[in-house]
Amino acid sequence: GQNIDQPTEMTATEGAIVQINCTYQTSGFNGLFWYQQHAGEAPTFLSYNVLDGLEEKGRFSSFLSRSKGYSYLLLKELQMKDSASYLCAVRAPDSNYQLIWGAGTKLIIKP
Amino acid sequence: DTGVSQDPRHKITKRGQNVTFRCDPISEHNRLYWYRQTLGQGPEFLTYFQNEAQLEKSRLLSDRFSAERPKGSFSTLEIQRTEQGDSAMYLCASSLAGSTDTQYFGPGTRLTVL
Repeated sequence: GQNIDQPTEMTATEGAIVQINCTYQTSGFNGLFWYQQHAGEAPTFLSYNVLDGLEEKGRFSSFLSRSKGYSYLLLKELQMKDSASYLCAVRAPDSNYQLIWGAGTKLIIKP
Repeated sequence: DTGVSQDPRHKITKRGQNVTFRCDPISEHNRLYWYRQTLGQGPEFLTYFQNEAQLEKSRLLSDRFSAERPKGSFSTLEIQRTEQGDSAMYLCASSLAGSTDTQYFGPGTRLTVL
């Protein structure tokens, strides 16, 4: 089967750095996405990784290791507005459209 | 480009009634997806269109669910004979076929079945 694992919940302090991990077991790989979702709202796209390494976008960075089936999202200089769920999704190997989604990691930022 | 829009944003209905939701994708996007999401879970794939063709439908989707995209632009999702278990957020996303094929989501329609 195909599976995405993320921690259910994490807590961090405003101004700090947090790393949210995602591991996946799929029969192939065609890209990994990170989305942010505030409570009651739709997911918004954060980052895309298809090759190994680090992609940096301002305060957010995403890392991928295909050999380990592992990715992380790094959030720096945390702000209260970063309190949200962070969803990891892997593109299914036999298509270019169906994403396999993790259940999301709820990030709580404390002052 | 105003992004993906969905209508209505909220729908409350009684069990057994039919409901229909609309999605307008980003104008140049040729792919359109419907998902369902419940609290604490990731989005669950329902169905997918490329232009007007429905290319995949989840095997978990019952026959009460049907979707159309008649002119390759907006799409509708209909649920017949709603059940309390259908209560969820229904999300629409669109993408442009290409290198990353990133999906962009609409605000969702929250369905409550009483």
